Amino acid sequence: GAGVSQSPRYKVTKRGQDVALRCDPISGHVSLYWYRQALGQGPEFLTYFNYEAQQDKSGLPNDRFSAERPEGSISTLTIQRTEQRDSAMYRCASSSTPPRLAGGRDTQYFGPGTRLTVL
Amino acid sequence: EDQVTQSPEALRLQEGESSSLNCSYTVSGLRGLFWYRQDPGKGPEFLFTLYSAGEEKEKERLKATLTKKESFLHITAPKPEDSATYLCAVRVPGNTGKLIFGQGTTLQVKP
Repeated sequence: GAGVSQSPRYKVTKRGQDVALRCDPISGHVSLYWYRQALGQGPEFLTYFNYEAQQDKSGLPNDRFSAERPEGSISTLTIQRTEQRDSAMYRCASSSTPPRLAGGRDTQYFGPGTRLTVL
Repeated sequence: EDQVTQSPEALRLQEGESSSLNCSYTVSGLRGLFWYRQDPGKGPEFLFTLYSAGEEKEKERLKATLTKKESFLHITAPKPEDSATYLCAVRVPGNTGKLIFGQGTTLQVKP
């Protein structure tokens, strides 16, 4: 079976432009997460979806960042008016069970990421 | 504040030289500790989940253990293909599944 897929794999944009990053989770996975990973660091949580509901967006750095998952499957992370400090690897992960039902025993499976470079 | 610290940052071993990676954590109510392996240019690959102190899990040359304050990833007789960055993460209390990651340990195993 296919894993988590993300597109594009690489995105180069100019400062001030908007970008949209796509995540296609593992089929049937109800939970979806977005993380950001700087070089040499572990992933940093951005936001979480349970089906189509965004239940935690505490990690989004500011209001230029937004995410949606309108049909409970594919998700899009949008960054408006990009800045150079937004340059990073953006990773998506999915799990089969909502954390509140799994008692913490669900596993997050990560995609290959989108490398965003803002010039 | 919930925090995860991994040591060492980098580790070089000769093939067959066993060692351990450390993951120290402070979290108010651990709901799972996770080990991932990450190869260059790829996403983290799940290895183990540990939930309670004293728990141990093994997979091939890897063994993960958990205490109330830290976890160890023991690598027995490593091979060059074990070279990767190993990430530790803890799940924080709540219903969102948020993971807090350490910065990782980059392991290089030389033949």
